[in-house]
Amino acid sequence: QVQLQESGPGLVKPSETLSLTCTVSDISISSYYWNWIRQPPGKGVEWIGYVHYSGNTNYNPSLKSRVTISLDTSKNQFSLKLSSVTAADTAMYYCARRTRIAPNIYAVDVWGQGTTVTVSS
Amino acid sequence: AIQMTQSPSSLSASVGDRVTITCRASQGIRNDLGWYQQKPGRSPKLLIYAASTLHSGVPSRFSGSGSGTDFTLTISSLQPEDFATYYCLQDYNYPLTFGGGTKVEIK
Repeated sequence: QVQLQESGPGLVKPSETLSLTCTVSDISISSYYWNWIRQPPGKGVEWIGYVHYSGNTNYNPSLKSRVTISLDTSKNQFSLKLSSVTAADTAMYYCARRTRIAPNIYAVDVWGQGTTVTVSS
Repeated sequence: AIQMTQSPSSLSASVGDRVTITCRASQGIRNDLGWYQQKPGRSPKLLIYAASTLHSGVPSRFSGSGSGTDFTLTISSLQPEDFATYYCLQDYNYPLTFGGGTKVEIK
């Protein structure tokens, strides 16, 4: 069964770079779209971006200037870097898989358990 | 970005009730919509994709309908384990966008 596990610092200082890694188990990362999604405390859910196994990326325009998502196929991992963080970036961060189920049919079908990141000095 | 307006934001219901949640897209998204259930402290779980297709292992009391801009999630007979927050997600184009959520509480 496919499993995703987020890891990284739970506390980041303002203006610094948030770095998280998602380790993918039981399936090769060399397929699918690999996403980061976040949820601030008590608020809604926001898609951050994806990296495709081909290396292509797509980011939410609201975060694009600060986001980098990359793949490490040798470790079966993908990573998120978010620069110049502020308190508004405090959130639960999830990694998730988006799958092509059929021609023109996709779904974000597998999620990690999430990791809490707090931005504070 | 496509805006997803979900309603109601919360509702109270009893076990056995029929519950309906709606999601409206700011532009047509064909049937590129998923529904998710999230329980406190847990990650969202896929219930329905392509607006009406039940994901593997999801009970048949959940159903989805709609196309274009208006979508509905229905729980035919609410069970104790269904008390949770539900989100829609449009998968038509980027950025992917979620509805604001509907919290289903016990009456």
